[in-house]
Amino acid sequence: DAKTTQPTSMDCAEGRAANLPCNHSTISGNEYVYWYRQIHSQGPQYIIHGLKNNETNEMASLIITEDRKSSTLILPHATLRDTAVYYCIVHNDYKLSFGAGTTVTVRA
Amino acid sequence: GAGVSQSPSNKVTEKGKDVELRCDPISGHTALYWYRQSLGQGLEFLIYFQGNSAPDKSGLPSDRFSAERTGGSVSTLTIQRTQQEDSAVYLCASSLVGVRETQYFGPGTRLLVL
Repeated sequence: DAKTTQPTSMDCAEGRAANLPCNHSTISGNEYVYWYRQIHSQGPQYIIHGLKNNETNEMASLIITEDRKSSTLILPHATLRDTAVYYCIVHNDYKLSFGAGTTVTVRA
Repeated sequence: GAGVSQSPSNKVTEKGKDVELRCDPISGHTALYWYRQSLGQGLEFLIYFQGNSAPDKSGLPSDRFSAERTGGSVSTLTIQRTQQEDSAVYLCASSLVGVRETQYFGPGTRLLVL
């Protein structure tokens, strides 16, 4: 699987949008971009995934650049419960590999 | 079921004892995965099941580790003669089919070997 680069940490104000960037410059044509998050002491939670087009679900939106070398996860209205480690993964296999992720802290 | 469940949620054992960890995947999911997450570390792949078969066991750390799946549903991960370095969170995930499918994780079993 291709490698991803994410900022180590970021803060976000409660109620505001959180924009989480991810670089995946070596992504290949059949690899999907997946986002998971892990709240402290819980199992990873699936958020969203996409191949080429932008995607939206009840949790978040995923914006993928036209060249697919980077993407942004958007949490439209962050709440305190969104505090977690967010993992961006590029994946076309069955083995998931999480890097260090971005530690997002939502502050009141 | 509504989600992946795992039991026990926590397990404390003495070095040298055997432990069994259980995973109940989402109903209808044919693929099942075991991962391990050590403190402050990333996710480490252990084994992948498609139905009752395990096409990839390459992540099992040693021959003390084994896993089986019966009836295409429940899976058990067994660690024999546990060592302190086996202490970790053991995570199970399932997906509808296999390759490229979204994996849904259980809450994990926290294993502590004293």
